[in-house]
Amino acid sequence: GNSVTQMEGPVTLSEEAFLTINCTYTATGYPSLFWYVQYPGEGLQLLLKATKADDKGSNKGFEATYRKETTSFHLEKGSVQVSDSAVYFCALSERGSEKLVFGKGTKLTVNP
Amino acid sequence: DVKVTQSSRYLVKRTGEKVFLECVQDMDHENMFWYRQDPGLGLRLIYFSYDVKMKEKGDIPEGYSVSREKKERFSLILESASTNQTSMYLCASRDPRGAGTGELFFGEGSRLTVL
Repeated sequence: GNSVTQMEGPVTLSEEAFLTINCTYTATGYPSLFWYVQYPGEGLQLLLKATKADDKGSNKGFEATYRKETTSFHLEKGSVQVSDSAVYFCALSERGSEKLVFGKGTKLTVNP
Repeated sequence: DVKVTQSSRYLVKRTGEKVFLECVQDMDHENMFWYRQDPGLGLRLIYFSYDVKMKEKGDIPEGYSVSREKKERFSLILESASTNQTSMYLCASRDPRGAGTGELFFGEGSRLTVL
């Protein structure tokens, strides 16, 4: 079945550091890929998405590229801020499916 | 702005009680979902509904039921709450025209503690 594996946290960085959160997936077809973010005390919000191979999703300085050859969708940001402290979830959805499959989440803490 | 509202942010119930978690969306979405979120386990799908009065089991439906009498409202029911149902419960909705591209909209969550 479909699955998503993302790096375990927690991740702690200093402000302005470079961020990478790894995400790899297993899928039978050609899924769409997503990163969701959950700020403290809130629900999940869609951060970015990519629907086909080589697509790059970007938002709020975050980027992720859909790599079919390595079945990966790693999240990156060049310079993190304290306000980026949150839990990040990688997810996939197969075409025509109502369901999303989520990774277990990676907690990021950014210190000033 | 899109909005998914969960009726209770925090609940404390006793073992054996019947618990209702309510979720309302104002986006006219056909699809609605209930997840639970636990540390180290991520999000797990309990039930989803793709239309009024239609429902399907997710990955962990045991001990839960749902009700969708109106398009905007999706209720999660714990018939007899147990301590292992202590968790964060997240409701979400989606326009099916977005099926395959994701775009779930989440509520803020209901943290349930069963004593």
